[in-house]
Amino acid sequence: GAVVSQHPSWVICKSGTSVKIECRSLDFQATTMFWYRQFPKQSLMLMATSNEGSKATYEQGVEKDKFLINHASLTLSTLTVTSAHPEDSSFYICSATSGTGGDTQYFGPGTRLTVL
Amino acid sequence: GQQVMQIPQYQHVQEGEDFTTYCNSSTTLSNIQWYKQRPGGHPVFLIQLVKSGEVKKQKRLTFQFGEAKKNSSLHITATQTTDVGTYFCAGGAGGTSYGKLTFGQGTILTVHP
Repeated sequence: GAVVSQHPSWVICKSGTSVKIECRSLDFQATTMFWYRQFPKQSLMLMATSNEGSKATYEQGVEKDKFLINHASLTLSTLTVTSAHPEDSSFYICSATSGTGGDTQYFGPGTRLTVL
Repeated sequence: GQQVMQIPQYQHVQEGEDFTTYCNSSTTLSNIQWYKQRPGGHPVFLIQLVKSGEVKKQKRLTFQFGEAKKNSSLHITATQTTDVGTYFCAGGAGGTSYGKLTFGQGTILTVHP
């Protein structure tokens, strides 16, 4: 149980284009989803917290107009990197919590974004 | 804001040796969680500690939560090559921050056969 999927697993795009990443909870309803980015050999940096049906809460320093988050249902959240640039290249990981098992987070497999 | 410090950053051990990573929070936590990330993979939940002074064991892994709920440790007895990876602690603040975790920097464990 508690499986989270992410799509795509990797993406390469040209500078200036937008990229959408999907995060789905497969066997539970995710009341809250989190989006992180991780640079090589570094820790996870929380970007934003999203709750179904409401606006995402962004961490300090994260541009909400650049990283658009939509939590359309209890099983799906999307992160759109708008007008991507090479410095946006990173490993993006989502996680989900059901809210019924404490605040244990279940992580998706991650999406590796490379912006040329 | 809340900060979670984790040491050491790297640990190289011979197979069979023990390993410990330590985590310290700047503020009192509601709970602490531990995750393992294999190279190229994503973090996988290991355990959650909630009570002051709590100790939990999973086979060769022993997890402790400090009395003040500000520090924690993960100890692996007799490491194996399958233990390689990065171990992260993550602190939960609870309250209005329910569900939100602050991750430590992680400890990269290398086990030499």
